[in-house]
Amino acid sequence: EDQVTQSPEALRLQEGESSSLNCSYTVSGLRGLFWYRQDPGKGPEFLFTLYSAGEEKEKERLKATLTKKESFLHITAPKPEDSATYLCAVQGPDGLSDKIIFGKGTRLHILP
Amino acid sequence: GAGVSQSPRYKVTKRGQDVALRCDPISGHVSLYWYRQALGQGPEFLTYFNYEAQQDKSGLPNDRFSAERPEGSISTLTIQRTEQRDSAMYRCASSPGGPPPAGFNEQYFGPGTRLTVT
Repeated sequence: EDQVTQSPEALRLQEGESSSLNCSYTVSGLRGLFWYRQDPGKGPEFLFTLYSAGEEKEKERLKATLTKKESFLHITAPKPEDSATYLCAVQGPDGLSDKIIFGKGTRLHILP
Repeated sequence: GAGVSQSPRYKVTKRGQDVALRCDPISGHVSLYWYRQALGQGPEFLTYFNYEAQQDKSGLPNDRFSAERPEGSISTLTIQRTEQRDSAMYRCASSPGGPPPAGFNEQYFGPGTRLTVT
């Protein structure tokens, strides 16, 4: 059973068309939920950490929110340079260690 | 300042050989994680260290895989008797450590080592 599930797997948007990416998780001891951006051929790049339900963080056109069971990454008026794979990860899923479990990612493509 | 570095960037080896993959974290970072990433997938947790202590190795696939970080800085992931199924991108990441909110869990990833077992 996947502990971190991201949807959709892929998303194509027109430039300026806002949308949201979803990350749902099933863990017993969340210590943190993270969002990363990964460009082809590169390592993931840190975006946000969320620690508790109700928390929100923003960076440019991106806004991350967290509930008890899922997180959303909202992208407002995206530009082609926002095209990338967005990864969600949780830390401490079993409440025993700080292991980090990633989802499979959402491939986002913004059309000019 | 320098980021996380990994070497070699590419490694081609024959089945049955041992390989050692190196990770040089950002200076002063407490935590170091190893991941394996297949194409089109998210990173898969292998193991992590705080300082020199290996905290969790539950993600290592089998006993051919081992990791060490003897002085709390550079880490080596060793795969013995490599098999074709070990072919993948191996990534390491380091983070500052410490309690939140001071960048507790923010991870900085290296460029990865692409391992090919023939």
